[in-house]
Amino acid sequence: ILNVEQSPQSLHVQEGDSTNFTCSFPSSNFYALHWYRWETAKSPEALFVMTLNGDEKKKGRISATLNTKEGYSYLYIKGSQPEDSATYLCALPPETSGSRLTFGEGTQLTVNP
Amino acid sequence: EAGVAQSPRYKIIEKRQSVAFWCNPISGHATLYWYQQILGQGPKLLIQFQNNGVVDDSQLPKDRFSAERLKGVDSTLKIQPAKLEDSAVYLCASSSLTSGSDTQYFGPGTRLTVL
Repeated sequence: ILNVEQSPQSLHVQEGDSTNFTCSFPSSNFYALHWYRWETAKSPEALFVMTLNGDEKKKGRISATLNTKEGYSYLYIKGSQPEDSATYLCALPPETSGSRLTFGEGTQLTVNP
Repeated sequence: EAGVAQSPRYKIIEKRQSVAFWCNPISGHATLYWYQQILGQGPKLLIQFQNNGVVDDSQLPKDRFSAERLKGVDSTLKIQPAKLEDSAVYLCASSSLTSGSDTQYFGPGTRLTVL
């Protein structure tokens, strides 16, 4: 069973703060890592798919990095806004083959105005 | 492009009752997934379809859960009879391929409460 861990479990920041959270996974047989943002009462939204060690991806104020050798990915949000409040999930497919995703428990971000 | 549609959005039932959820994936997506997300946990795959065939149902509690994808498009997930521990959000997702790096697109989910 693939073990995907996310930290912290929850985070409260002030508007304008920059923040980051972590997704940890087994470093052996890595294939890909997905980041999703899930706002309450909405569909989970795909942010990034990362596949290569050293990958860096950016979407507006959100960016992510990947280190497959040590088994972690960081998600950064620069200048947090209240609309960034959501649960951020990372997920990985199986180490061997297939596309089913194993999700971490998520980081719940609250940005206070 | 229309996203993944799910209905109903919310459902409240008594334990031992039956319930069914419906999903319409993005047009042309061959792969369809049903995930269960219990409060405080990450989503967990229940079943994966490729067209109208089952690819993975290893985590589906088959004594009470069933799913079908007739004609390889829409899908329904049924629980019969429901238990208290089935209270969760049921998410449907679709993707065009079955690669682990292919993006899965999610619907808004059905929030089920079992009393």
